[in-house]
Amino acid sequence: GDSVTQMEGPVTLSEEAFLTINCTYTATGYPSLFWYVQYPGEGLQLLLKATKADDKGSNKGFEATYRKETTSFHLEKGSVQVSDSAVYFCALSSAPRGNQGGKLIFGQGTELSVKP
Amino acid sequence: ETGVTQSPTHLIKTRGQQVTLRCSSQSGHNTVSWYQQALGQGPQFIFQYYREEENGRGNFPPRFSGLQFPNYSSELNVNALELDDSALYLCASSLRGGYTFGSGTRLTVV
Repeated sequence: GDSVTQMEGPVTLSEEAFLTINCTYTATGYPSLFWYVQYPGEGLQLLLKATKADDKGSNKGFEATYRKETTSFHLEKGSVQVSDSAVYFCALSSAPRGNQGGKLIFGQGTELSVKP
Repeated sequence: ETGVTQSPTHLIKTRGQQVTLRCSSQSGHNTVSWYQQALGQGPQFIFQYYREEENGRGNFPPRFSGLQFPNYSSELNVNALELDDSALYLCASSLRGGYTFGSGTRLTVV
């Protein structure tokens, strides 16, 4: 079945460091890919998404490119801030585009801690 | 937009009891999904409702059931609670593949 694998955390960085969180997936068909962020005690917030191969999603300085050849969707940010400390989840949805939305399959999450 | 609202935010129940969790969908969203997030894990899909009909179910036993109402709000019911049901329960509403999550209900079973 479809699955998502993320690099294990926690990841600890100093402020202004470069961030990469690896995500690979297994899926039949052509899934949409997502990154969600979860701050302590809160639900999930969509950070960015990509719906087809070679698409780049971006938001708040974060970027991820849908790589079909390597089945990857790695999250990157050039300069992290203390406020980026959170848990990051990679996810996929195999619902066809235009459908009402299928289920999301999540990775196990990667905790990021940014120190001043 | 009003977003997705879940209630209650926290709940403590005793093993064997039943619980009902509620979710108000984002305005205009006709699909609602429920997820269980155990501590330190990613969310796991429970089921999805589209226009009041169950439209997909994850690997959860029948004691997990749900309803969607004509206004697209939803309930998650869990019978015969077990200790392992302790988790954060997340509701997500969607329209054409765009998902919006609520802040969740933290359920503790003792």
